[in-house]
Amino acid sequence: KAGVTQTPRYLIKTRGQQVTLSCSPISGHRSVSWYQQTPGQGLQFLFEYFSETQRNKGNFPGRFSGRQFSNSRSEMNVSTLELGDSALYLCASSLAGQGAGELFFGEGSRLTVL
Amino acid sequence: AQSVTQLGSHVSVSEGALVLLRCNYSSSVPPYLFWYVQYPNQGLQLLLKYTSAATLVKGINGFEAEFKKSETSFHLTKPSAHMSDAAEYFCAVSDRGGNEKLTFGTGTRLTIIP
Repeated sequence: KAGVTQTPRYLIKTRGQQVTLSCSPISGHRSVSWYQQTPGQGLQFLFEYFSETQRNKGNFPGRFSGRQFSNSRSEMNVSTLELGDSALYLCASSLAGQGAGELFFGEGSRLTVL
Repeated sequence: AQSVTQLGSHVSVSEGALVLLRCNYSSSVPPYLFWYVQYPNQGLQLLLKYTSAATLVKGINGFEAEFKKSETSFHLTKPSAHMSDAAEYFCAVSDRGGNEKLTFGTGTRLTIIP
């Protein structure tokens, strides 16, 4: 059974650009969550999607957005990139999305903003 | 709001010695608690979870954790450390709102001394 797949794995952007990250959940999983991981702030919740609806959103500016498609694949977008957006972005999927916390994480997309 | 505090950002133990990683929680409702492990350049993997059943929870790779309400703790232990246990460990709490938002601690990096 394939795990959570995130693309691209690494990318470099410059300030002011925008970026789109993609996440393919485990087959059958309907909930997709996104987290930002940085050395300074640790792991921070960005948002969660369930059946194409955003169910919860973390405390991030509106430059961070996401969506989920009918096949449960998800994308997140960051516009007008800032240096502080450099981070590992982790996607996680879960089967039922009922808060049981059994999240399956991808290996992440490492974004460097220059 | 729920939160977790991990005491000790770095812990070193000798191979074969007891591993003890500390986590204290704060929650206004009975919590769901989790331990995740992250190996270098990988995503997070669930080690174990507490969802109000047995207070002693056994997980993968020989790890276990005990939920102690009186101490608001959920410490992770392993009787005998292996070199392969070297990783970063995160304690997390769920807001139990029917969604998958997790609040993570700042992590503890475990080093195993040969």
